[in-house]
Amino acid sequence: QSVLTQPPSVSAAPGQKVTISCSGSSSNIGNNYVSWYQQLPGTAPELLIYDNSNRPSGIPDRFSGSKSGTSATLGITGLQTGDEADYYCGTWDSSLSAYVFGTGTKVTVL
Amino acid sequence: EVQLVESGGGLVKPGGSLRLSCAASGFTFSSYSMTWVRQAPGKGLEWVSSISSSSTYIYYADSVKGRFTISRDNAKNSLYLQMNSLRAEDTAVYYCARDRGDYVPPEYFQNWGQGTLVTVSS
Repeated sequence: QSVLTQPPSVSAAPGQKVTISCSGSSSNIGNNYVSWYQQLPGTAPELLIYDNSNRPSGIPDRFSGSKSGTSATLGITGLQTGDEADYYCGTWDSSLSAYVFGTGTKVTVL
Repeated sequence: EVQLVESGGGLVKPGGSLRLSCAASGFTFSSYSMTWVRQAPGKGLEWVSSISSSSTYIYYADSVKGRFTISRDNAKNSLYLQMNSLRAEDTAVYYCARDRGDYVPPEYFQNWGQGTLVTVSS
């Protein structure tokens, strides 16, 4: 059972915006950087956001990340059918001495 | 172009062993920490183990500690995962990933391989 909690699913129409929350504690999100990963169906995960809010080169600015206290949020604007995927947050947990991933959120474009 | 290619997966009986390999190219392998992440069928991502660039620092998930051993050969640009005493719950796709840099503990994983499937079943 993951220590980072995400909603199982979110959905919206094309062009709309969705946000995905990632809730943790002071031993993980509260004191470490958060990253986000996108996993398209049948493929390997891909880094989407690092250091809470930075995008690697090639990731469109429709994707954004933020962190406040012990929670982090991924935002996707201008939703496209190609955004249908599973999304995971991740960070180091200092108490567990382990890297932890969130429970994962499936994004559906209606 | 960064490439990570895993190999060594397959079907193994409970209690058996398997060695996974990850061949890296397109970057200076010896300058990066590396990580194994697994994903059971239909489940989420689970971090397995990380190793620093010179193998000085090694971390394991509690679920594999004492059974799995991570190692690397910088001369061969290769990462390994020796898996012993395998259990049904170890069945998963195993991904090799390149870390941010030579940072410990791991911060994020900027490149991933395509994965190799390990099935533990009698």
